[in-house]
Amino acid sequence: QSVLTQPPSASGTPGQRVTISCSGSSSNIGSNTVNWYHQLPGTAPKLLIYSNNQRPSGVPDRFSGSKSGTSASLAISGLQSEDEADYYCAAWDDSLIGPVFGGGTKLTVL
Amino acid sequence: EVQLLESGGGLVQPGGSLRLSCAASGFTFSSYAMSWVRQAPGKGLEWVSGISVSAGGTYYADSVKGRFTISRDNSKNTLCLQMNSLRAEDTAVYYCAKDRGATISQFDYWGQGALVTVSS
Repeated sequence: QSVLTQPPSASGTPGQRVTISCSGSSSNIGSNTVNWYHQLPGTAPKLLIYSNNQRPSGVPDRFSGSKSGTSASLAISGLQSEDEADYYCAAWDDSLIGPVFGGGTKLTVL
Repeated sequence: EVQLLESGGGLVQPGGSLRLSCAASGFTFSSYAMSWVRQAPGKGLEWVSGISVSAGGTYYADSVKGRFTISRDNSKNTLCLQMNSLRAEDTAVYYCAKDRGATISQFDYWGQGALVTVSS
């Protein structure tokens, strides 16, 4: 059971906008920034969003992040087939004294 | 170009030990916190352990505390994870991950992973 809660799956058609939620508590999302990673099958994860809404260089602006209270969201606009991957949220947890991940959301592009 | 290359994975019996290494290049290794993150087959990501820039601070997930030891050699640009008393549930791909800064929180580069299988 993951500390952060994500829906196990999400889907959308090309060009659509999809959002993935991430729910936590006061000890993690409520008091620390949220990061998002995506992982293509058989490959290592990659940082997609850091500090709630910042994109590393090279990440398209189709990807955006937001946070409110103890929840966060990742939005992907203009969905493309190459966006089909697993998406994970993460945040530092003050009680566990370490980063915690969500269980991951498998995004399918129909 | 940042590169992280893990080595040392393999098959080990329950109760055994294994040492993972991660050779870093393409950045000033001593300026960044580093971590190990694992992924069991078909499962999600789990942070295992992290170490501060000077190795003055080491952090562990409860699931490995007392069994795993993280270390770094800034003169050799190497990160290590000594794993003792291994259990079947430690079976996973172990990734070496670089943090964006000096604190453990945002992993901007990952290695390709090293598979650790604990089985008799």
